[in-house]
Amino acid sequence: SAVISQKPSRDICQRGTSLTIQCQVDSQVTMMFWYRQQPGQSLTLIATANQGSEATYESGFVIDKFPISRPNLTFSTLTVSNMSPEDSSIYLCSAPTEPNYGYTFGSGTRLTVV
Amino acid sequence: GEDVEQSLFLSVREGDSSVINCTYTDSSSTYLYWYKQEPGAGLQLLTYIFSNMDMKQDQRLTVLLNKKDKHLSLRIADTQTGDSAIYFCAERGTGRRALTFGSGTRLQVQP
Repeated sequence: SAVISQKPSRDICQRGTSLTIQCQVDSQVTMMFWYRQQPGQSLTLIATANQGSEATYESGFVIDKFPISRPNLTFSTLTVSNMSPEDSSIYLCSAPTEPNYGYTFGSGTRLTVV
Repeated sequence: GEDVEQSLFLSVREGDSSVINCTYTDSSSTYLYWYKQEPGAGLQLLTYIFSNMDMKQDQRLTVLLNKKDKHLSLRIADTQTGDSAIYFCAERGTGRRALTFGSGTRLQVQP
């Protein structure tokens, strides 16, 4: 199955700064998804990133706070902007890399905002 | 919207079977999945089932799907301490490419 490399794996950031998370897939995929997993919680979809068009955001998430880039079919970035302690979470990228089943996930970025 | 529910915690003894349950509301779900998350790690796909199936077996894992009741279960035979993790069920509805996840069930395996 495909492999998604995600970095950084963890970071501690000051409030008010921004962090960009990168995901690289070892095969071409049409869609990539970004999720947030707050401490002890399930995964919540932030947005769907398509190559060549703007990302589609879920309710409660906005582009100014979570800008996404998708420059080609193997790469995407998520930026967490103007961070506050409430943004402390694990952020995961995902892609449907197996036909009709099985979504592969990156290893996650554990973000702590102080 | 879609909703997926799981019990939060399950404790079993090593060698016993574990059964993790999940219910969902989206009647248009096409695929249902089980993922495993170990501490500090990403999500690992364990198995999946297509909505027109009612059972799937893969080594120690058995998935049962009751589509009428919208109930999914994962049975792990001969549970080992390495199976201790959080297990998420997830569903994908028709026309929706992203997955909707349950709250996760923390499985604790006691030696």
